Amino acid sequence: GAVVSQHPSRVICKSGTSVKIECRSLDFQATTMFWYRQFPKQSLMLMATSNEGSKATYEQGVEKDKFLINHASLTLSTLTVTSAHPEDSSFYICSASYGGLTEAFFGQGTRLTVV
Amino acid sequence: GENVEQHPSTLSVQEGDSAVIKCTYSDSASNYFPWYKQELGKRPQLIIDIRSNVGEKKDQRIAVTLNKTAKHFSLHITETQPEDSAVYFCAALGGSGNTGKLIFGQGTTLQVKP
Repeated sequence: GAVVSQHPSRVICKSGTSVKIECRSLDFQATTMFWYRQFPKQSLMLMATSNEGSKATYEQGVEKDKFLINHASLTLSTLTVTSAHPEDSSFYICSASYGGLTEAFFGQGTRLTVV
Repeated sequence: GENVEQHPSTLSVQEGDSAVIKCTYSDSASNYFPWYKQELGKRPQLIIDIRSNVGEKKDQRIAVTLNKTAKHFSLHITETQPEDSAVYFCAALGGSGNTGKLIFGQGTTLQVKP
């Protein structure tokens, strides 16, 4: 299957600072990527759809000014958590697919801890 | 909006027994239904998927059934083994135009006792 790489795998940051998470499709081009957030013992909640060359589409309740998404190339999407607070501590995970009715490939996830 | 309900939230079985997890979805336009296994702190791994033009699919000890009329789909694991213990998520491909947006169920923690 295809490979999606996410970096960093773990990050600890101070409250009020910003953190950038990268998601790369290593062996295929992805015009669309997805960002999910997963709190402990909970499901994956879709945050936004990252569209190459255009603005991201955010799910209801997700603050677009707090979670900045940039999809500048067909192989890279970034999620920046701005002015992070302890309640933003979570497991963030991206996915990409070939499109259509096909398998979604997930990155390794990023464990964000805001102290 | 789109919604996927998954039951049960926890499931404990004896090694060798079968396990069944059920999901229902709300978006009648959904046409792709994957199942993922997730171990603690790791990414979800696809274990089986089914498309809406098929009613059942099997891969060794794992099978999935789909009832489009009732908007139900189920995961069946036979001859369970301790290494099957994990959290399992169902999902449905939501949104129009095959955008690839997956909506996940709440998850089922499966424990297989030796």
